[in-house]
Amino acid sequence: KQEVTQIPAALSVPEGENLVLNCSFTDSAIYNLQWFRQDPGKGLTSLLLIQSSQREQTSGRLNASLDKSSGRSTLYIAASQPGDSATYLCAVIALSGTYKYIFGTGTRLKVLA
Amino acid sequence: NAGVTQTPKFRVLKTGQSMTLLCAQDMNHEYMYWYRQDPGMGLRLIHYSVGEGTTAKGEVPDGYNVSRLKKQNFLLGLESAAPSQTSVYFCASSYSGHPYEQYFGPGTRLTVT
Repeated sequence: KQEVTQIPAALSVPEGENLVLNCSFTDSAIYNLQWFRQDPGKGLTSLLLIQSSQREQTSGRLNASLDKSSGRSTLYIAASQPGDSATYLCAVIALSGTYKYIFGTGTRLKVLA
Repeated sequence: NAGVTQTPKFRVLKTGQSMTLLCAQDMNHEYMYWYRQDPGMGLRLIHYSVGEGTTAKGEVPDGYNVSRLKKQNFLLGLESAAPSQTSVYFCASSYSGHPYEQYFGPGTRLTVT
């Protein structure tokens, strides 16, 4: 059974720092991995999607990498800003044929001004 | 495009009452999903649909029913609400083809007393 883990559960950094959020999964047979951002009381916003054939995706200050063989993905945020404060979730979709996403429990990020 | 919308945004029910949550999407997506989000447990899939007229069980389907009579709508029903169903409910949709990128609604906060 696929399990997705995100460590740490919470992270607090000063503004301007570069930071890395981690996501690990137990079954490497995945279609893709998607990173989301969730603001308090809000829905999920898709940040980046990495397909199984890709190693990384970039959008602005965000870079996500995928290493299927080791069951890991990282989300790199450059020059963090207070507006980046949110919970970051990763989710994988398995090759089991049922097209279902399995979510991690998220990392709650606070960027201090 | 409105994307994915959910109705209502908030609701308080008494134990034993019934209600229906409505999800609508205007992106012509084939796949639709209902999740619940609880503290410390991440998002868990309740039911999903891979097309009009079809539904399937997810990870936590007990106590819920769904219907997909129209492609753009996915309804989640609680026949006899229980306090354990207090949660935030999210609807999502995606295209039927790889890479199955999911788009989320803003959520419905349900409290059962």
